[in-house]
Amino acid sequence: SQTIHQWPATLVQPVGSPLSLECTVEGTSNPNLYWYRQAAGRGLQLLFYSVGIGQISSEVPQNLSASRPQDRQFILSSKKLLLSDSGFYLCAWSLKVQAYGYTFGSGTRLTVV
Amino acid sequence: AQSVAQPEDQVNVAEGNPLTVKCTYSVSGNPYLFWYVQYPNRGLQFLLKYITGDNLVKGSYGFEAEFNKSQTSFHLKKPSALVSDSALYFCAVSRARDTGFQKLVFGTGTRLLVSP
Repeated sequence: SQTIHQWPATLVQPVGSPLSLECTVEGTSNPNLYWYRQAAGRGLQLLFYSVGIGQISSEVPQNLSASRPQDRQFILSSKKLLLSDSGFYLCAWSLKVQAYGYTFGSGTRLTVV
Repeated sequence: AQSVAQPEDQVNVAEGNPLTVKCTYSVSGNPYLFWYVQYPNRGLQFLLKYITGDNLVKGSYGFEAEFNKSQTSFHLKKPSALVSDSALYFCAVSRARDTGFQKLVFGTGTRLLVSP
């Protein structure tokens, strides 16, 4: 069966420090991968998505970047965190969206101090 | 472009009463519709989906949703609410198209609060 792992679960980082959040998927090949941010327990903002290794699409300009170095690995990064980067970050994967929707990871709570 | 509206920020219901969480959508062509639930500090969990067929779809934890094409709605329902149903609920839509990359478009979420 397919599983998605996201870590760390919680992170407190000072302003100006770098960030690396990792997401991996097991049990499937060539998934579509997504990074979302959720502010204040409300709506989801799509940050990046990827349809294959090295293929990254950015939805909004920001202080963050994403990479997909392997088929089932998706990394969210920042060189210098801002206070406004605080939030709940969710990774998700899909194959046929229409049939199966998305499967989400358990999320990372990032607090920038 | 696809869009989803969840007109209520919060729905309050007493335990044992029926609940409805509203969702309307806009999409060209036939829609694929989904409901997800999120508990505090957790990822979203799939509840149910409408692809085709019966307009009444049954899902996890006793939830169901009714697809209404003429009203472009996909309201989530449960006959008898539980306190443990208190959570954040998201409606999502994708366009029924076999080719090309497809994304889910999510609503802004509705917080359900079930009181004892």
